[in-house]
Amino acid sequence: GNSVTQMEGPVTLSEEAFLTINCTYTATGYPSLFWYVQYPGEGLQLLLKATKADDKGSNKGFEATYRKETTSFHLEKGSVQVSDSAVYFCALISNSGGSNYKLTFGKGTLLTVNP
Amino acid sequence: KAGVTQTPRYLIKTRGQQVTLSCSPISGHRSVSWYQQTPGQGLQFLFEYFSETQRNKGNFPGRFSGRQFSNSRSEMNVSTLELGDSALYLCASSLGPGALEKLFFGSGTQLSVL
Repeated sequence: GNSVTQMEGPVTLSEEAFLTINCTYTATGYPSLFWYVQYPGEGLQLLLKATKADDKGSNKGFEATYRKETTSFHLEKGSVQVSDSAVYFCALISNSGGSNYKLTFGKGTLLTVNP
Repeated sequence: KAGVTQTPRYLIKTRGQQVTLSCSPISGHRSVSWYQQTPGQGLQFLFEYFSETQRNKGNFPGRFSGRQFSNSRSEMNVSTLELGDSALYLCASSLGPGALEKLFFGSGTQLSVL
Protein backbone atom coordinates (compact mmCIF):
# COMPACT_ATOMS: atom_id res chain seq x y z
CA GLY A 1 0.00 0.00 0.00
CA ASN A 2 0.86 3.66 -0.04
CA SER A 3 2.83 5.22 2.77
CA VAL A 4 4.62 8.44 3.67
CA THR A 5 7.53 8.70 6.08
CA GLN A 6 8.67 12.08 7.32
CA MET A 7 11.29 13.03 9.83
CA GLU A 8 10.13 12.99 13.39
CA GLY A 9 10.09 16.20 15.30
CA PRO A 10 10.02 18.32 17.05
CA VAL A 11 12.32 20.59 15.09
CA THR A 12 13.43 23.75 16.86
CA LEU A 13 15.21 26.51 14.94
CA SER A 14 16.20 30.10 15.43
CA GLU A 15 14.70 32.76 13.22
CA GLU A 16 16.43 33.03 9.81
CA ALA A 17 17.82 29.50 10.02
CA PHE A 18 17.60 27.06 7.09
CA LEU A 19 14.86 24.45 7.27
CA THR A 20 14.72 20.95 5.83
CA ILE A 21 12.01 18.44 6.65
CA ASN A 22 12.60 15.10 4.98
CA CYS A 23 9.81 13.13 3.36
CA THR A 24 9.97 9.83 1.49
CA TYR A 25 7.12 7.83 0.07
CA THR A 26 6.02 4.44 -1.19
CA ALA A 27 3.26 4.35 -3.74
CA THR A 28 1.93 2.50 -6.73
CA GLY A 29 1.72 4.32 -10.02
CA TYR A 30 2.58 7.99 -10.27
CA PRO A 31 1.43 9.82 -7.15
CA SER A 32 0.92 13.53 -6.69
CA LEU A 33 2.81 14.89 -3.68
CA PHE A 34 1.82 17.59 -1.20
CA TRP A 35 2.93 19.50 1.84
CA TYR A 36 0.21 20.69 4.20
CA VAL A 37 0.66 23.03 7.17
CA GLN A 38 -1.40 23.12 10.36
CA TYR A 39 -1.15 26.23 12.50
CA PRO A 40 -2.15 25.95 16.19
CA GLY A 41 -5.88 25.47 16.62
CA GLU A 42 -6.56 25.31 12.90
CA GLY A 43 -7.20 22.74 10.21
CA LEU A 44 -4.74 21.81 7.48
CA GLN A 45 -3.88 24.16 4.65
CA LEU A 46 -2.25 23.16 1.41
CA LEU A 47 1.25 24.67 1.33
CA LEU A 48 2.54 23.36 -2.00
CA LYS A 49 2.27 20.45 -4.38
CA ALA A 50 3.96 18.67 -7.28
CA THR A 51 2.24 16.32 -9.68
CA LYS A 52 5.08 14.74 -11.67
CA ALA A 53 8.74 13.86 -11.41
CA ASP A 54 11.18 16.80 -11.22
CA ASP A 55 8.36 19.27 -10.58
CA LYS A 56 9.16 21.87 -7.93
CA GLY A 57 6.33 23.16 -5.75
CA SER A 58 6.81 26.49 -4.03
CA ASN A 59 4.83 28.86 -1.84
CA LYS A 60 5.61 31.44 0.88
CA GLY A 61 9.34 30.80 0.52
CA PHE A 62 8.95 27.03 0.95
CA GLU A 63 10.07 24.65 -1.81
CA ALA A 64 9.97 20.93 -2.45
CA THR A 65 11.10 18.94 -5.50
CA TYR A 66 9.48 15.67 -6.60
CA ARG A 67 12.36 13.19 -6.84
CA LYS A 68 11.16 9.94 -8.36
CA GLU A 69 14.59 8.26 -8.28
CA THR A 70 14.84 8.68 -4.51
CA THR A 71 11.05 8.68 -3.87
CA SER A 72 11.44 11.88 -1.89
CA PHE A 73 9.77 15.26 -1.51
CA HIS A 74 11.81 17.16 1.06
CA LEU A 75 10.52 20.53 2.27
CA GLU A 76 13.00 23.43 2.45
CA LYS A 77 13.00 27.09 3.36
CA GLY A 78 16.03 29.30 3.32
CA SER A 79 15.13 31.58 6.23
CA VAL A 80 12.37 30.63 8.65
CA GLN A 81 10.28 33.08 10.65
CA VAL A 82 8.54 32.76 13.99
CA SER A 83 5.25 32.72 12.08
CA ASP A 84 6.30 29.47 10.37
CA SER A 85 5.89 27.59 13.67
CA ALA A 86 3.36 24.88 12.88
CA VAL A 87 2.97 21.18 12.14
CA TYR A 88 3.94 20.17 8.60
CA PHE A 89 2.48 17.11 6.87
CA CYS A 90 3.80 15.42 3.77
CA ALA A 91 1.09 13.62 1.80
CA LEU A 92 0.40 11.82 -1.45
CA ILE A 93 -2.51 10.94 -3.66
CA SER A 94 -2.37 7.77 -5.66
CA ASN A 95 -5.01 5.76 -7.38
CA SER A 96 -4.95 2.59 -5.33
CA GLY A 97 -6.39 0.51 -8.12
CA GLY A 98 -9.62 1.94 -9.43
CA SER A 99 -11.37 5.24 -9.16
CA ASN A 100 -10.86 5.51 -5.43
CA TYR A 101 -8.18 8.12 -4.98
CA LYS A 102 -6.90 8.30 -1.40
CA LEU A 103 -4.89 10.96 0.39
CA THR A 104 -2.17 9.39 2.56
CA PHE A 105 -0.39 11.54 5.16
CA GLY A 106 2.86 11.31 7.04
CA LYS A 107 2.68 11.65 10.81
CA GLY A 108 3.61 15.31 10.82
CA THR A 109 6.62 17.30 11.98
CA LEU A 110 6.26 20.01 14.60
CA LEU A 111 8.40 23.05 13.82
CA THR A 112 9.08 25.68 16.45
CA VAL A 113 10.94 28.83 15.44
CA ASN A 114 12.37 30.97 18.22
CA PRO A 115 13.07 34.69 17.84
CA LYS B 1 -17.15 32.36 0.74
CA ALA B 2 -17.43 30.53 4.05
CA GLY B 3 -14.95 27.76 4.73
CA VAL B 4 -15.56 24.25 5.99
CA THR B 5 -17.45 24.45 9.27
CA GLN B 6 -17.26 21.78 11.92
CA THR B 7 -19.36 21.63 15.07
CA PRO B 8 -18.92 21.34 17.92
CA ARG B 9 -15.37 22.59 18.36
CA TYR B 10 -14.81 20.63 21.57
CA LEU B 11 -16.57 17.62 23.01
CA ILE B 12 -16.09 15.62 26.20
CA LYS B 13 -17.68 12.20 26.53
CA THR B 14 -17.28 9.12 28.71
CA ARG B 15 -16.52 5.58 27.67
CA GLY B 16 -19.49 3.72 26.22
CA GLN B 17 -21.32 6.82 25.06
CA GLN B 18 -21.87 7.73 21.46
CA VAL B 19 -21.14 10.99 19.68
CA THR B 20 -22.17 12.76 16.48
CA LEU B 21 -19.97 15.32 14.75
CA SER B 22 -21.15 17.66 12.04
CA CYS B 23 -19.47 19.12 8.98
CA SER B 24 -20.75 21.74 6.55
CA PRO B 25 -18.66 21.87 3.37
CA ILE B 26 -17.80 24.91 1.31
CA SER B 27 -20.76 25.99 -0.79
CA GLY B 28 -20.76 24.05 -4.05
CA HIS B 29 -18.53 21.28 -2.74
CA ARG B 30 -20.20 17.90 -2.94
CA SER B 31 -17.52 15.61 -1.57
CA VAL B 32 -16.74 15.35 2.16
CA SER B 33 -13.95 13.35 3.76
CA TRP B 34 -13.26 12.65 7.42
CA TYR B 35 -9.90 12.14 9.10
CA GLN B 36 -8.82 11.22 12.61
CA GLN B 37 -5.72 12.99 13.93
CA THR B 38 -3.83 11.68 16.95
CA PRO B 39 -0.27 12.39 18.17
CA GLY B 40 0.74 8.75 17.77
CA GLN B 41 -0.87 7.85 14.44
CA GLY B 42 -0.99 11.20 12.72
CA LEU B 43 -3.80 11.67 10.20
CA GLN B 44 -5.81 8.62 9.25
CA PHE B 45 -8.54 8.52 6.64
CA LEU B 46 -11.97 7.51 7.91
CA PHE B 47 -14.32 7.78 4.92
CA GLU B 48 -15.41 9.89 1.98
CA TYR B 49 -18.93 10.75 0.86
CA PHE B 50 -20.23 12.07 -2.42
CA SER B 51 -23.87 12.51 -3.42
CA GLU B 52 -24.99 10.90 -0.16
CA THR B 53 -23.01 7.74 -0.92
CA GLN B 54 -19.92 6.45 0.82
CA ARG B 55 -17.27 6.16 -1.89
CA ASN B 56 -14.23 5.25 0.14
CA LYS B 57 -13.53 3.88 3.59
CA GLY B 58 -10.45 3.61 5.77
CA ASN B 59 -9.50 0.86 8.20
CA PHE B 60 -11.66 1.73 11.16
CA PRO B 61 -14.08 -0.50 13.08
CA GLY B 62 -17.79 -0.44 12.41
CA ARG B 63 -18.31 1.79 15.46
CA PHE B 64 -17.31 4.64 13.16
CA SER B 65 -19.99 5.55 10.67
CA GLY B 66 -21.06 8.52 8.65
CA ARG B 67 -23.63 9.88 6.32
CA GLN B 68 -24.17 12.73 3.93
CA PHE B 69 -27.32 14.71 3.38
CA SER B 70 -28.77 16.08 0.15
CA ASN B 71 -27.30 19.52 0.91
CA SER B 72 -23.82 17.88 1.14
CA ARG B 73 -23.57 18.38 4.89
CA SER B 74 -22.10 15.35 6.59
CA GLU B 75 -22.17 13.78 10.00
CA MET B 76 -19.99 11.13 11.53
CA ASN B 77 -20.99 8.99 14.46
CA VAL B 78 -18.89 7.02 16.87
CA SER B 79 -20.71 4.53 19.07
CA THR B 80 -19.52 2.81 22.24
CA LEU B 81 -16.70 5.28 22.72
CA GLU B 82 -13.29 4.05 23.85
CA LEU B 83 -10.46 6.02 25.43
CA GLY B 84 -8.45 5.56 22.24
CA ASP B 85 -11.08 7.48 20.27
CA SER B 86 -9.82 10.71 21.83
CA ALA B 87 -8.58 12.69 18.86
CA LEU B 88 -9.04 15.69 16.63
CA TYR B 89 -11.55 14.80 13.91
CA LEU B 90 -11.07 16.76 10.72
CA CYS B 91 -13.50 17.17 7.90
CA ALA B 92 -12.44 18.21 4.41
CA SER B 93 -14.44 19.12 1.35
CA SER B 94 -13.79 19.21 -2.36
CA LEU B 95 -15.79 19.79 -5.51
CA GLY B 96 -16.07 16.08 -6.18
CA PRO B 97 -14.46 12.69 -5.68
CA GLY B 98 -10.95 12.55 -7.03
CA ALA B 99 -10.60 16.33 -6.66
CA LEU B 100 -8.32 15.77 -3.70
CA GLU B 101 -5.72 18.17 -5.04
CA LYS B 102 -8.09 20.96 -4.02
CA LEU B 103 -9.09 19.80 -0.58
CA PHE B 104 -10.18 22.29 2.08
CA PHE B 105 -10.10 21.39 5.76
CA GLY B 106 -12.17 22.56 8.69
CA SER B 107 -10.65 23.40 12.08
CA GLY B 108 -11.79 20.10 13.52
CA THR B 109 -13.69 18.77 16.51
CA GLN B 110 -11.52 17.89 19.48
CA LEU B 111 -13.07 14.82 21.15
CA SER B 112 -11.95 13.78 24.61
CA VAL B 113 -13.15 10.44 25.98
CA LEU B 114 -12.84 10.07 29.74
